[in-house]
Amino acid sequence: ETGVTQTPRHLVMGMTNKKSLKCEQHLGHNAMYWYKQSAKKPLELMFVYSLEERVENNSVPSRFSPECPNSSHLFLHLHTLQPEDSALYLCASSQEYGATNEKLFFGSGTQLSVL
Amino acid sequence: GIQVEQSPPDLILQEGANSTLRCNFSDSVNNLQWFHQNPWGQLINLFYIPSGTKQNGRLSATTVATERYSLLYISSSQTTDSGVYFCAVPKRDDKIIFGKGTRLHILP
Repeated sequence: ETGVTQTPRHLVMGMTNKKSLKCEQHLGHNAMYWYKQSAKKPLELMFVYSLEERVENNSVPSRFSPECPNSSHLFLHLHTLQPEDSALYLCASSQEYGATNEKLFFGSGTQLSVL
Repeated sequence: GIQVEQSPPDLILQEGANSTLRCNFSDSVNNLQWFHQNPWGQLINLFYIPSGTKQNGRLSATTVATERYSLLYISSSQTTDSGVYFCAVPKRDDKIIFGKGTRLHILP
């Protein structure tokens, strides 16, 4: 148990659906992250929030929309996804953002399949 | 930008064997982390090791920052050690980037 909880664990959706991924951290951290892990690719950083403000947006398509209502919760809203968006989506947190000695704590991920 | 390379990409071992995984990075860093991703996708932070050597049970890690590499040692492998091992380092803009990982399969 890493202290970072993601739901749902698995998600299958059609290209016209709208769904949301949820992440909750119980560690008192101030920074939260969304990563995408596709087959045979390194983990890709998608979004970073620090103290509920977005600080990174790595050229992610607008069909992915993050939301951070407070420092413990992070959402990723999905709409009109493409089959190539199928991947494992991982949430992580760290005490602070931008300190190079920060340790990342990951959730178990949501395995997303887009049909 | 900084490059992170891990080797070998795949490793199959018999239970009880020892293994060494390597992470090379192209620029100086002041932070390096090793992670284990189990077959169910969970990523666990194993070591935060910007330099020197650390040990945790059957696992140990050594980072030689001046030579830009880190090694992860697994002794007396168990089937539960199977999974993918990633190293991760920060770039100059503080973004953490991951290597492609070493996939380890321990046979019973």
